Amino acid sequence: ETGVTQTPRHLVMGMTNKKSLKCEQHLGHNAMYWYKQSAKKPLELMFVYSLEERVENNSVPSRFSPECPNSSHLFLHLHTLQPEDSALYLCASSQEPGSYTPQHFGDGTRLSIL
Amino acid sequence: EDQVTQSPEALRLQEGESSSLNCSYTVSGLRGLFWYRQDPGKGPEFLFTLYSAGEEKEKERLKATLTKKESFLHITAPKPEDSATYLCAVYNTDKLIFGTGTRLQVFP
Repeated sequence: ETGVTQTPRHLVMGMTNKKSLKCEQHLGHNAMYWYKQSAKKPLELMFVYSLEERVENNSVPSRFSPECPNSSHLFLHLHTLQPEDSALYLCASSQEPGSYTPQHFGDGTRLSIL
Repeated sequence: EDQVTQSPEALRLQEGESSSLNCSYTVSGLRGLFWYRQDPGKGPEFLFTLYSAGEEKEKERLKATLTKKESFLHITAPKPEDSATYLCAVYNTDKLIFGTGTRLQVFP
């Protein structure tokens, strides 16, 4: 596999469920990102990891919990979500944060909260 | 405040009808401007990087240009397969800031 892959592609969950989103990059990059994309709004940066260390947390509610076990894998653990959390969640990777090189995106997980 | 504004919000073109998309930006220190294409149900696909005013990049029917305040994505003789949302993003000192995109539809 090449590029950035995300699973699952679609997820429907209730407000009391716990689920996880997974991202894997095959580009040899050192930085990984989580973004939220809602209709009519710009992509919102949620978290940034560099070499498995979190370097950015953009005032994201604690019901979103990221995990980066190594430089190729990134998870987003979800619990007690709200209806306004329904969105497309995108993972991206780049060479280094702050290297001003392109970020490469996966195809996202479409999340629906009932 | 660092900001990226794209216009128009939506654009409908006849096949072969050339046009341009605009991305204007205000950032404290531009470190690069990026164009992405996003198809429905997919993630953004990287197209171009521009780093300095006057720079131009081309790929098939697309040409991106950069000034000190804005970037244009010129589409020459578009085809229906060029239909997508085109996103512009700029790096300020440490973050990639996105616009809301231009949704392009090209009709045969």
